Amino acid sequence: GAVVSQHPSRVICKSGTSVKIECRSLDFQATTMFWYRQFPKKSLMLMATSNEGSKATYEQGVEKDKFLINHASLTLSTLTVTSAHPEDSSFYICSARDATRGQRKMNTGELFFGEGSRLTVL
Amino acid sequence: GNSVTQMEGPVTLSEEAFLTINCTYTATGYPSLFWYVQYPGEGLQLLLKATKADDKGSNKGFEATYRKETTSFHLEKGSVQVSDSAVYFCALSVPLFGNEKLTFGTGTRLTIIP
Repeated sequence: GAVVSQHPSRVICKSGTSVKIECRSLDFQATTMFWYRQFPKKSLMLMATSNEGSKATYEQGVEKDKFLINHASLTLSTLTVTSAHPEDSSFYICSARDATRGQRKMNTGELFFGEGSRLTVL
Repeated sequence: GNSVTQMEGPVTLSEEAFLTINCTYTATGYPSLFWYVQYPGEGLQLLLKATKADDKGSNKGFEATYRKETTSFHLEKGSVQVSDSAVYFCALSVPLFGNEKLTFGTGTRLTIIP
């Protein structure tokens, strides 16, 4: 199946620094990528939808200036946590949709997920 | 809004036991329903799905039936194996013209003991 890779898988940083997480689709092109955040014992919460070549669409309550998303190519989206604080510590997961399968209006279920990136802010 | 409620874990079973993980949902519109699985150290993978009422999704011995009358999509397997140990997520999606968003449950950690 299609592969989505995230990097780094784990990162520890000091409070106030910025951290970039990459999400790559390795064997397909992804016009749309999604960024999720997972809190302990909580469900995955959609943070934003990243569209190649345009601005990301953020979910309500997610700070755009805090979580910068860039989707510069069909195989790469990045999430930058700016001026990170301990409350930003979490597990961040990206998913991508294969553009070649996106012709139908209902393209449900064909999302591929990365392994996740665990951020710890000291 | 859309939400998914699934059985809290962790769930620990012996090998060859019968498994049920409950999942119920609320949704505006007509959702598609999914079960995703996350094995240790890996990303989420689609396990099975159902897109309309009374559909049964199945894969790797797991089954789930889309029950509109009870708004449920319970995951079942008749005889679990150690290799089934993972975290299972129930999810729904209401299609938004090609840009669907998944709403996930909290996940249920399953551990199978030999």
